[in-house]
Amino acid sequence: NAGVTQTPKFRVLKTGQSMTLLCAQDMNHEYMYWYRQDPGMGLRLIHYSVGEGTTAKGEVPDGYNVSRLKKQNFLLGLESAAPSQTSVYFCASSSTGASEKLFFGSGTQLSVL
Amino acid sequence: QKEVEQDPGPLSVPEGAIVSLNCTYSNSAFQYFMWYRQYSRKGPELLMYTYSSGNKEDGRFTAQVDKSSKYISLFIRDSQPSDSATYLCAMSANTGRRALTFGSGTRLQVQP
Repeated sequence: NAGVTQTPKFRVLKTGQSMTLLCAQDMNHEYMYWYRQDPGMGLRLIHYSVGEGTTAKGEVPDGYNVSRLKKQNFLLGLESAAPSQTSVYFCASSSTGASEKLFFGSGTQLSVL
Repeated sequence: QKEVEQDPGPLSVPEGAIVSLNCTYSNSAFQYFMWYRQYSRKGPELLMYTYSSGNKEDGRFTAQVDKSSKYISLFIRDSQPSDSATYLCAMSANTGRRALTFGSGTRLQVQP
């Protein structure tokens, strides 16, 4: 009964390093999302995907790239990490989009020094 | 100005109190309104879902939407320490492509 699984749970990077966050869902959902959560800012959408092979920009896409090569996986990449990308990252999925229930992962705490 | 405004709190109440959490919004196209609950170090989970205006009740929780005032509320009756969490309002203009717009969250602490 996994739902949405995010790896890693914690990561510390130095400025300029790169990394990939992995999100996997086992509910056969079409829609997947990457959010970041910062104090006082709520959840802000980075990128989203409406199906395998498709991605779209959200509210704060700069500095991030994504890929959805397989329906169950949604990857978030940071090519050159900056301290402003220190945040908690959440992946979510849903069956038919924004009007339906989102299922969230447990988050990745990322610190960029 | 943010599309969705939510008082960050923290809000501290005694066990058994009635809690009122609120959000205001500016986009008149929003039709779907949700409340998510987020425990510390966890992902948000859907608590209540309402389409358009009106009330919806589920156990101790009642969600209200007033589209004319662009104002939504979540009421918690007989609050319990286990209700201590951050409550996020969220809303969407249409089905399909777009994702939700979230409020910044209100932190609630229910004292035993």
